[in-house]
Amino acid sequence: QQQVKQSPQSLIVQKGGISIINCAYENTAFDYFPWYQQFPGKGPALLIAIRPDVSEKKEGRFTISFNKSAKQFSLHIMDSQPGDSATYFCAASPTGANNLFFGTGTRLTVIP
Amino acid sequence: ETGVTQTPRHLVMGMTNKKSLKCEQHLGHNAMYWYKQSAKKPLELMFVYSLEERVENNSVPSRFSPECPNSSHLFLHLHTLQPEDSALYLCASSHSAGTGGETQYFGPGTRLLVL
Repeated sequence: QQQVKQSPQSLIVQKGGISIINCAYENTAFDYFPWYQQFPGKGPALLIAIRPDVSEKKEGRFTISFNKSAKQFSLHIMDSQPGDSATYFCAASPTGANNLFFGTGTRLTVIP
Repeated sequence: ETGVTQTPRHLVMGMTNKKSLKCEQHLGHNAMYWYKQSAKKPLELMFVYSLEERVENNSVPSRFSPECPNSSHLFLHLHTLQPEDSALYLCASSHSAGTGGETQYFGPGTRLLVL
């Protein structure tokens, strides 16, 4: 049973546009929600993370929006750049544990 | 060398072979992880070690055998694998395993092909 559901599977965005990736979860014990970015030939790297006590977190062009009642969270990439082309994974972990449950990933392509 | 390193980067093995994957972290962390990454599937957590003790084993077949001789090194011993075990195997580390909300730092992975 997939603990975190992610969509879309792939996304093509024009340079300068907004990229939006969505995730949903069921387990109310989850209290940490990171996003990881993976380039070809590399391991995933933490991009930005949020806890459920806030509804939004922004770091530069990257924003996480979190809806606790709907059990959904999303990643927004503003002013998308070709260098943002990568696979993005949402994840969640429960209280007091570092076990990460990942989504299936979204392959983002930003075209010039 | 910094971060998390993995060797080999690519491995081809037959179903009767025995091989080992190696992971080393240079971050002073106390927790290490093995993940399996298959196409169009979520990363699957396989094993978690905290201070060299295994704290999690997610129903992984016994043909995968982890070893953590110290907090900087992690091995995954492979024997009599199946073609469906072909995947990218990722190692990660974090400061600890039980506090929650800690960043995991991933290595580049070993691309394994089982023939």
